[in-house]
Amino acid sequence: DTEVTQTPKHLVMGMTNKKSLKCEQHMGHRAMYWYKQKAKKPPELMFVYSYEKLSINESVPSRFSPECPNSSLLNLHLHALQPEDSALYLCASSQEGRGYNEQFFGPGTRLTVL
Amino acid sequence: AQSVTQLDSQVPVFEEAPVELRCNYSSSVSVYLFWYVQYPNQGLQLLLKYLSGSTLVESINGFEAEFNKSQTSFHLRKPSVHISDTAEYFCAVSEYQGAQKLVFGQGTRLTINP
Repeated sequence: DTEVTQTPKHLVMGMTNKKSLKCEQHMGHRAMYWYKQKAKKPPELMFVYSYEKLSINESVPSRFSPECPNSSLLNLHLHALQPEDSALYLCASSQEGRGYNEQFFGPGTRLTVL
Repeated sequence: AQSVTQLDSQVPVFEEAPVELRCNYSSSVSVYLFWYVQYPNQGLQLLLKYLSGSTLVESINGFEAEFNKSQTSFHLRKPSVHISDTAEYFCAVSEYQGAQKLVFGQGTRLTINP
């Protein structure tokens, strides 16, 4: 299995809602990533987990809360989002170790905040 | 900190014509260089990468890129494009130390006309 899956594909939520995005991989990767991609813009790194521990947080607002319950799963919990948070949220995973490790991307969850 | 500049936001070409997508980077340390492709409504796929060694790297679908250290460039070329090459192309860099952190350029929209 060489793919990263993300659910749901699409999500519409109000500013008072609480929702979660889910990412899963079964490639034995020990690093997992969340990216945010606004329309017609490049992906921007949000969080990196390494061996289920948060290793990079790119100063993301606290209304985004990541969670890595095990080595195959990565969640992004959303609460009190703003319309400007509407974007494509991409998950990726890679081997963990020194030097370069290719990141494999999921298809993304397209989030709309009303 | 590193940065990436893609000089063309859009490149329209006719089918079977050659194409070059330009990428320049800036970094004070050694970097890895990448080209990613994003088809409509999909995640990112790694097209090719430069890690070390030969400065000319090739993909399985006919693209190639050349690392030019003196000009800090990593331009992407294909001698003859197909309709199926229509996509967004992102150039990206990561540092040797901290290779998890990919920094993307703004992207180039390649449109192939019949």
